[in-house]
Amino acid sequence: AQSVTQLGSHVSVSEGALVLLRCNYSSSVPPYLFWYVQYPNQGLQLLLKYTSAATLVKGINDFEAEFKKSETSFHLTKPSAHMSDAAEYFCAVKKSSNDYKLSFGAGTTVTVRA
Amino acid sequence: KAGVTQTPRYLIKTRGQQVTLSCSPISGHRSVSWYQQTPGQGLQFLFEYFSETQRNKGNFPGRFSGRQFSNSRSEMNVSTLELGDSALYLCASSPGTAGGVETQYFGPGTRLLVL
Repeated sequence: AQSVTQLGSHVSVSEGALVLLRCNYSSSVPPYLFWYVQYPNQGLQLLLKYTSAATLVKGINDFEAEFKKSETSFHLTKPSAHMSDAAEYFCAVKKSSNDYKLSFGAGTTVTVRA
Repeated sequence: KAGVTQTPRYLIKTRGQQVTLSCSPISGHRSVSWYQQTPGQGLQFLFEYFSETQRNKGNFPGRFSGRQFSNSRSEMNVSTLELGDSALYLCASSPGTAGGVETQYFGPGTRLLVL
């Protein structure tokens, strides 16, 4: 079964510091990978997605993620955290080109310290 | 374009009742998916509809059902509510024709509380 594992349920960073959120996937074939963000009392907003076009994917709000097949990872980074980045982040996967079902990781809550 | 809309936003029901939630997708999108989000189980896929047909189904009991109308609007129904059905129910839409590469756009959710 296709799945993703997010390492660390909570991450606390200082404002201006690097944000690093880890996601590993299990797959025997190249998957389609997504990062979503959820602010309190809201739905999910897409940050970026990997669809095999390029291993380094740039998203909104200066987030980016790198697909590493050798490590089965798709970690999310942002060079400089802002207070508005405080939210919950989800890594998700689709297993094939005909798949419309997203399988989500457990989520990582990010806290930003002033 | 308007985003995905869900109604109602909040709902309180008692055990044994049934509930219907509604989702209007982004104009032109024909695929609508439903997810349940709870603190214990996280985000779980319920089902996906495309052109009024259920195309995929998650691992939920038969009390959870859905349908899609010809205008792509979708409803999900939960019968005989249980306390464990308390959750945020999220709807997502996408064009429905490009598979894995497609982005699913989520609505704000309906928060259901079962007492």
